[in-house]
Amino acid sequence: DAKTTQPPSMDCAEGRAANLPCNHSTISGNEYVYWYRQIHSQGPQYIIHGLKNNETNEMASLIITEDRKSSTLILPHATLRDTAVYYCIPHTNAGKSTFGDGTTLTVKP
Amino acid sequence: EAQVTQNPRYLITVTGKKLTVTCSQNMNHEYMSWYRQDPGLGLRQIYYSMNVEVTDKGDVPEGYKVSRKEKRNFPLILESPSPNQTSLYFCASSSTGGGNTIYFGEGSWLTVV
Repeated sequence: DAKTTQPPSMDCAEGRAANLPCNHSTISGNEYVYWYRQIHSQGPQYIIHGLKNNETNEMASLIITEDRKSSTLILPHATLRDTAVYYCIPHTNAGKSTFGDGTTLTVKP
Repeated sequence: EAQVTQNPRYLITVTGKKLTVTCSQNMNHEYMSWYRQDPGLGLRQIYYSMNVEVTDKGDVPEGYKVSRKEKRNFPLILESPSPNQTSLYFCASSSTGGGNTIYFGEGSWLTVV
């Protein structure tokens, strides 16, 4: 299972785009990149996932580099409710899944 | 509504007293998993199951047992709980194969005194 590296914390001004990076240089070919977030101690909430191509949904955009060794989650217009811990997880849903310590995003007014 | 349900949500127990945390999902998912989360840290996988009667160890399986007799249920068993198993526990499920969302339960706070 691939290991990930994320910055421990980031700040973002309300209304601005939040760009959260993740390094997953050991990702294997069949692993998708998933992003989840956790608010306080609630269960992690799915945000988005991708394999090779960039993806967008109503919550966020996901940019995956061509070599798939890193990705960036983009929250286009961050709000105070987006303050959370964000996890990047390479996973196949067919075995182990390893969460790192994530990035604590603080959105400030 | 798609749900992963854990019980109990909160429990204080004593060292050595066997306990079971139940997990049930209503989405006919093959894959189920248990995680623990300690303060300030990410989730660490305890056990996972690819289907009925198929279970495997995650990163921190010591002191835990699981069973998967039915597709919808995946109980976590602490045969002899110890204070170092005080933690927040999450159950999760998904369909197997890449590209499928993992759904998480609301968590179970367990304190062992």
